[in-house]
Amino acid sequence: KNQVEQSPQSLIILEGKNCTLQCNYTVSPFSNLRWYKQDTGRGPVSLTIMTFSENTKSNGRYTATLDADTKQSSLHITASQLSDSASYICVVGGGGGNKLTFGTGTQLKVEL
Amino acid sequence: DVKVTQSSRYLVKRTGEKVFLECVQDMDHENMFWYRQDPGLGLRLIYFSYDVKMKEKGDIPEGYSVSREKKERFSLILESASTNQTSMYLCASSITGTVSYEQYFGPGTRLTVT
Repeated sequence: KNQVEQSPQSLIILEGKNCTLQCNYTVSPFSNLRWYKQDTGRGPVSLTIMTFSENTKSNGRYTATLDADTKQSSLHITASQLSDSASYICVVGGGGGNKLTFGTGTQLKVEL
Repeated sequence: DVKVTQSSRYLVKRTGEKVFLECVQDMDHENMFWYRQDPGLGLRLIYFSYDVKMKEKGDIPEGYSVSREKKERFSLILESASTNQTSMYLCASSITGTVSYEQYFGPGTRLTVT
């Protein structure tokens, strides 16, 4: 069964600190992995997308890594800001029929 | 900028009512999708469409139907709303090819069925 698991489920950090969110997947065959940011009450917005051959991709203060061998990805947020408070969703493409499998998200709260 | 709009942000309907959720995208995307999002479950695909008048079932199509009469518009229909269809509904669109192309999401419609 295709699955995407994210950890931690929720996280609280102080403004200016760094944090790393984890994503493990069992989707096969693998096509790509994306990270989305979803603000409360809004639709998800894409941060990064990586294919099999890419092991890191950055978007400003967001850096995603991918280890296709261990089927793990991480999203590192540098110098967090209050506006980073959101749910971060890991999404894996593939698994037959080119469908997307969504993780349940990590809820991040950045506090003063 | 890609823009995906949904007809309502919040909707309250009674059990048994027929409900229409509309989605419009302005980027001439061929692919459109309807998902529902529930706490602890992640997004689940209800239906998708690769072209006008084409539709494919997703993972949880039961109780739903869709319509795509024009390329820019994709409607989700709840024939007889039930309380277990209370959820956040998200529409998305992408360019043609496979779903490996980026999907752009609308703001969502929070539907409550009482």
